[in-house]
Amino acid sequence: GQNIDQPTEMTATEGAIVQINCTYQTSGFNGLFWYQQHAGEAPTFLSYNVLDGLEEKGRFSSFLSRSKGYSYLLLKELQMKDSASYLCAVRGPDSNYQLIWGAGTKLIIKP
Amino acid sequence: ETGVTQTPRHLVMGMTNKKSLKCEQHLGHNAMYWYKQSAKKPLELMFVYNFKEQTENNSVPSRFSPECPNSSHLFLHLHTLQPEDSALYLCASKGPGERQPQHFGDGTRLSIL
Repeated sequence: GQNIDQPTEMTATEGAIVQINCTYQTSGFNGLFWYQQHAGEAPTFLSYNVLDGLEEKGRFSSFLSRSKGYSYLLLKELQMKDSASYLCAVRGPDSNYQLIWGAGTKLIIKP
Repeated sequence: ETGVTQTPRHLVMGMTNKKSLKCEQHLGHNAMYWYKQSAKKPLELMFVYNFKEQTENNSVPSRFSPECPNSSHLFLHLHTLQPEDSALYLCASKGPGERQPQHFGDGTRLSIL
């Protein structure tokens, strides 16, 4: 079967660092995406990993280990505006680029 | 306008009504998607269109009927919906290439009375 697991909710403090984990069990793997979704708004693309290792983009970094079926999103220097849901999605083996989605992690930033 | 635009943003309808959701993208993408998003659940893919041709129908009930007249526009026609169909309906588009992400609209919040 296809399954993606993320924590339901996390809380962190403004200015701190938080790591949001995502584990996946899929019949194939062709890349992993992270999206941010503020309440009532569209999911917006954050990062894409297809090879093992760390991809850094400003305050956000994403890591992938294909052998472990594991990824994390690292957010540094947290700001109040980072309060949102973070969605992990894996592209499976089919040729239509369909994504298999996690349920998302709601991140709450406190002052 | 740029990006993906969905209308209406909110819709309340009775179970016997007929309504349509509209999605428009100005990104020049060739693929468009309809998703259903319910609270605390993963996004559920409903339909996929590539170059106006439907390439995926994820066992969606016939009370949901998609239409893609051209690569820029996508509709979701609704009729005789059930209370469990209340959700956020998201449209997305995507350009060619495996690294390209899907771009989403803000969604239509649908409530079935």
